[in-house]
Amino acid sequence: GIQVEQSPPDLILQEGANSTLRCNFSDSVNNLQWFHQNPWGQLINLFYIPSGTKQNGRLSATTVATERYSLLYISSSQTTDSGVYFCAGGMNSGYSTLTFGKGTMLLVSP
Amino acid sequence: SAVISQKPSRDICQRGTSLTIQCQVDSQVTMMFWYRQQPGQSLTLIATANQGSEATYESGFVIDKFPISRPNLTFSTLTVSNMSPEDSSIYLCSVAIAGALGTQYFGPGTRLLVL
Repeated sequence: GIQVEQSPPDLILQEGANSTLRCNFSDSVNNLQWFHQNPWGQLINLFYIPSGTKQNGRLSATTVATERYSLLYISSSQTTDSGVYFCAGGMNSGYSTLTFGKGTMLLVSP
Repeated sequence: SAVISQKPSRDICQRGTSLTIQCQVDSQVTMMFWYRQQPGQSLTLIATANQGSEATYESGFVIDKFPISRPNLTFSTLTVSNMSPEDSSIYLCSVAIAGALGTQYFGPGTRLLVL
């Protein structure tokens, strides 16, 4: 099955700093998603991004499908950005089972 | 998106007992999934809940331990049977909805502690 590797495993930032999270895949995926799990455990879908670049406010993501990696950019971080960021990949572009990486734990301090 | 609720939100159970977790969605969805998140770990897919037929289980998960039902397009249950402390986890249901390009949305999770 697909192997998903995320880096860094942990990240501590001062409020206002920028960061880049990376996700590597062992095989090509046609379904790639980024999630944020807040400190209360709720998983929020950030991006569905099997290829290309998307932006949503202070967050943006880029996937280079041919090289099997994706990047999540967080700009001007806020304390509410704290939590765990997961990327997940699947073989089907539509409705697909997903394999999750181990996540990047982000702590943004005031 | 979709509004997903799970019941119970948390429970403490004795070993050897069983717990049934419910997942309700506010709109018809194409696919429903059940995941397990062990303490401090990532998410692992347990199974895909198929409407009107047996669930499709991932390697390492079996129907006798995790029976799943999906009687209609908006509701599913996961039972954790004959529990042991190793079953202590967060159990999450997720859904994929038509027209959402395969995006998955997650319920709030059920936090289970087995003593």
